[in-house]
Amino acid sequence: ELKVEQNPLFLSMQEGKNYTIYCNYSTTSDRLYWYRQDPGKSLESLFVLLSNGAVKQEGRLMASLDTKARLSTLHITAAVHDLSATYFCAVGGSQGNLIFGKGTKLSVKP
Amino acid sequence: SAVISQKPSRDICQRGTSLTIQCQVDSQVTMMFWYRQQPGQSLTLIATANQGSEATYESGFVIDKFPISRPNLTFSTLTVSNMSPEDSSIYLCSVYTGMNTEAFFGQGTRLTVV
Repeated sequence: ELKVEQNPLFLSMQEGKNYTIYCNYSTTSDRLYWYRQDPGKSLESLFVLLSNGAVKQEGRLMASLDTKARLSTLHITAAVHDLSATYFCAVGGSQGNLIFGKGTKLSVKP
Repeated sequence: SAVISQKPSRDICQRGTSLTIQCQVDSQVTMMFWYRQQPGQSLTLIATANQGSEATYESGFVIDKFPISRPNLTFSTLTVSNMSPEDSSIYLCSVYTGMNTEAFFGQGTRLTVV
């Protein structure tokens, strides 16, 4: 059974600081996703990572994938308040579905 | 890509009643999925709805409680039956358009059962 562990679950950061969210998964998958969710909203797709060593960057967020270690990271650089949200990683299942981590609730404080 | 229209966006329902949620996709897709997100929780797969076959339900979800229809390749419905306050959640439909591509989500239906 594919399981996804995400940590930390809660993250309080100061503006301008850097931090990393980790996503470990238990069995092989060919797809890893990162989503952002604002309160009361649906999911906003951030990154899709498909191969070992994949690295994608968008603004202050950078995601990477190590399929051998079954680990993905979401790195936040110089955080700003607008990044406050819940971030989910999700791993592609064999039937096209996604298995989600528990999410990381990020709060960026001035 | 795929654009998903999900409705209603929110509803407040009386316990014991049923609500049907609709999901319309702007292109034909084989795989559609229904997820539930309970308050403060992550997303959990309810079932997979493929056109031309019965929906496949995950452990803990049953057809009598969450009947699903998939009449064609662009549309699906999820019904939440005989609702109780524990069914208060966000329900999301999702599609996966093929190998190594993005998964798309509808805007979600925020259901409150009173």
